Amino acid sequence: NAGVTQTPKFQVLKTGQSMTLQCAQDMNHNSMYWYRQDPGMGLRLIYYSASEGTTDKGEVPNGYNVSRLNKREFSLRLESAAPSQTSVYFCASSVEGAGAGELFFGEGSRLTVL
Amino acid sequence: RKEVEQDPGPFNVPEGATVAFNCTYSNSASQSFFWYRQDCRKEPKLLMSVYSSGNEDGRFTAQLNRASQYISLLIRDSKLSDSATYLCVVNPYNQGGKLIFGQGTELSVKP
Repeated sequence: NAGVTQTPKFQVLKTGQSMTLQCAQDMNHNSMYWYRQDPGMGLRLIYYSASEGTTDKGEVPNGYNVSRLNKREFSLRLESAAPSQTSVYFCASSVEGAGAGELFFGEGSRLTVL
Repeated sequence: RKEVEQDPGPFNVPEGATVAFNCTYSNSASQSFFWYRQDCRKEPKLLMSVYSSGNEDGRFTAQLNRASQYISLLIRDSKLSDSATYLCVVNPYNQGGKLIFGQGTELSVKP
């Protein structure tokens, strides 16, 4: 079973370049999330989508945009990458809101901004 | 003060040892609590939810102390395969999407 699939798994960008991280889930989940993980910081929520057609800011949304394309797909865009955005990015999904149950994570996308 | 705080470790223990992790949270209105496990360079996975009455799953026991605002995870009879980072997770708002993750506690079980 695929679960949550993220692409690309690795990416190197130069400062100022743009890119989109793709995420798709095949579990018919309503809610989807984007987190970033940095050493010593834990996972921090960037944006989430409680249901198709809605998106909300998380803890660290600056420099990012998201699109909930349909129920399956939730993309994260960096319009002008900065070295501070070097991180591991995780997409996740859940049946309903995160507080009610389990989050299922993708394998992560490792982004380096030079 | 961080919303969720954990001792980052690492905790280095021999096989068969009992090890306990604590986690404190700052929002007294928090409703949902979880422990996730993350293997090196992998994604986090739910280990167990934490209920007010405490709960046990095999060698793992989770407890919640609302008065002191901390949760704990006890691992008995540690196995080599328990080596991982354990993430304390809190939903401080009882709303979808707002999970707060601790920085994680690293456990290394040695032969």
